[in-house]
Amino acid sequence: EPEVTQTPSHQVTQMGQEVILRCVPISNHLYFYWYRQILGQKVEFLVSFYNNEISEKSEIFDDQFSVERPDGSNFTLKIRSTKLEDSAMYFCASIRWLNQPQHFGDGTRLSIL
Amino acid sequence: GNSVTQMEGPVTLSEEAFLTINCTYTATGYPSLFWYVQYPGEGLQLLLKATKADDKGSNKGFEATYRKETTSFHLEKGSVQVSDSAVYFCALLIQGAQKLVFGQGTRLTINP
Repeated sequence: EPEVTQTPSHQVTQMGQEVILRCVPISNHLYFYWYRQILGQKVEFLVSFYNNEISEKSEIFDDQFSVERPDGSNFTLKIRSTKLEDSAMYFCASIRWLNQPQHFGDGTRLSIL
Repeated sequence: GNSVTQMEGPVTLSEEAFLTINCTYTATGYPSLFWYVQYPGEGLQLLLKATKADDKGSNKGFEATYRKETTSFHLEKGSVQVSDSAVYFCALLIQGAQKLVFGQGTRLTINP
């Protein structure tokens, strides 16, 4: 069964540095998402992306965050200047059509020192 | 607003016990409801879903029924196994909306 893949599985970064988290959604999917889960807290929506545009974003997704689909397969989340509170597990998800269940990757654990 | 509330964890049971994990929701529209499971070291996997009132989702011996009158979607399994140890998330999706809204997760541990 096709999977959403995320790399790296664990990223350690110094505060203030830029970080890029990478995702390869399922190949025929059209809608892409990022969520995050701070340790011990709920999984929270960050952003959705369709047709090369952000379609919805949460209040967490401020100017420090950006997303990009640089080619036909990758979907990236960039944090420009990381803060300690960005430490979390970041999940990528994708679907082909709206209202379908979202398929999630295994996540990237981001640790900011 | 839209929100999901799950029963507090962690939950610890013996093998072959009956499992219930409560989930209630608040929604402004007509949501689809989901249970996702996260096994240790892995991502979120869809366990089951229900898209309208009175639908029953089922998978791997787990069941949940969409109850509009009580705004609930409780997860049940008649006889749990050690391999069911994981974190379980209840979630909703409003029709036409983009984002899943998750509950806080319930950690389940099954002892042999």
